[in-house]
Amino acid sequence: DIVMTQSPDSLAVSLGERATINCKSSQSVLYNSNNKNYLAWYQQKPGQPPKLLIYWASTRESGVPDRFSGSGSGTDFTLTISSLQAEDVAVYYCQQYYSTPLFTFGPGTKVDIK
Amino acid sequence: QVQLQESGPGLVKPSETLSLTCTVSGGSISSYYWSWIRQPAGKGLEWIGRIYTSGSTNYNPSLKSRVTMSVDTSKNQFSLKLSSVTAADTAVYYCARERGYDSSGYYYGDFDYWGQGTLVTVSS
Repeated sequence: DIVMTQSPDSLAVSLGERATINCKSSQSVLYNSNNKNYLAWYQQKPGQPPKLLIYWASTRESGVPDRFSGSGSGTDFTLTISSLQAEDVAVYYCQQYYSTPLFTFGPGTKVDIK
Repeated sequence: QVQLQESGPGLVKPSETLSLTCTVSGGSISSYYWSWIRQPAGKGLEWIGRIYTSGSTNYNPSLKSRVTMSVDTSKNQFSLKLSSVTAADTAVYYCARERGYDSSGYYYGDFDYWGQGTLVTVSS
């Protein structure tokens, strides 16, 4: 299985400041034939299902604000919220789909307002 | 707009079988993979398995011996059965759509539509 880890477990950021979340996979999720990283990011607010933010590690889903960006390749990835808004308070998860049909998620990172 | 809705008993006794159904509306169930994903309270997400509209299934090896999924395309529904449940199976259960392949052959293994989730408690 591909094991996903995230850091930090939680972080508190002031409104308008940058939040950075890291995700690491136990093996590369870069699909060499198309040079795409098979990694997605989700946002989950309390009492709600996860919402897809980013796929292929850096492609923003339609309708997602451009303050959310994804980067990285191979085994190391980052989700950045460039200017934290109050509505961004949530838990963020990464997910790999390289080892389809066995999908695995990271443990989550909780983002709060400082 | 595609919508998914889970339904089923919220309370299941230990050793019995958990049964849930996901109803898809606003779009066809055809030509997609449909997954079940669960989340114990305060914890992370665990992929349980998926089913294609042909009935082809893939299960998480950690649960494979206890999981059965089925699909009813005439009703735009798919279902989950998890047998021999214990308290460790208490969780919010989500159904979700795997986006799959586009017309260019690119694969999207993310989950773009999710149900609201249903809490299943295993207790006597």
